[in-house]
Amino acid sequence: DQQVKQNSPSLSVQEGRISILNCDYTNSMFDYFLWYKKYPAEGPTFLISISSIKDKNEDGRFTVFLNKSAKHLSLHIVPSQPGDSAVYFCAADLDGSGNTGKLIFGQGTTLQVKP
Amino acid sequence: KAGVTQTPRYLIKTRGQQVTLSCSPISGHRSVSWYQQTPGQGLQFLFEYFSETQRNKGNFPGRFSGRQFSNSRSEMNVSTLELGDSALYLCASSPAGNTEAFFGQGTRLTVV
Repeated sequence: DQQVKQNSPSLSVQEGRISILNCDYTNSMFDYFLWYKKYPAEGPTFLISISSIKDKNEDGRFTVFLNKSAKHLSLHIVPSQPGDSAVYFCAADLDGSGNTGKLIFGQGTTLQVKP
Repeated sequence: KAGVTQTPRYLIKTRGQQVTLSCSPISGHRSVSWYQQTPGQGLQFLFEYFSETQRNKGNFPGRFSGRQFSNSRSEMNVSTLELGDSALYLCASSPAGNTEAFFGQGTRLTVV
């Protein structure tokens, strides 16, 4: 069963506009969420995270929103840049206290930012 | 500070053979996790080692095993390779198994 789902395999946006990547989860025990970015031939790179006690976390152009009641989170990139073109993975950690080292990943969304 | 290093980067093996992949974590990181990435299944957790002990294990058959050494370096082994084991194998390290894991570039394994 897919506990973390990214239902949009791909997304295309114009440079300068907002990119919104979505992620749904099924396990209400998840209490820490992360977004990773992956370029071809490279490992995933950590972008931003959010704890379940918050509903928003910002870091520069990246903002993650968490709606616990809907079991939904989203990553907003504003403004989008061509260098943001990559595969974005949503991930969840069962134990945000840092004792698991196990992440459950979504399938990924390929973002293309057009100049 | 050096990142997570995985060797080799590419590997071609024949069905039935075994393979060992290596991962050197970031200096000071004691937790090493392994993931398998395939087009159909995405990124799937294999196992995590912390202080030379397997702390978590994913839903993979016993053909997949690993170990961690006292210097935190880790190896994973796959025995009796099957065509379906062809994948990108990623290693991630973190200071104590906390959530901001840093990934290596991966080892691309092709089983023919």
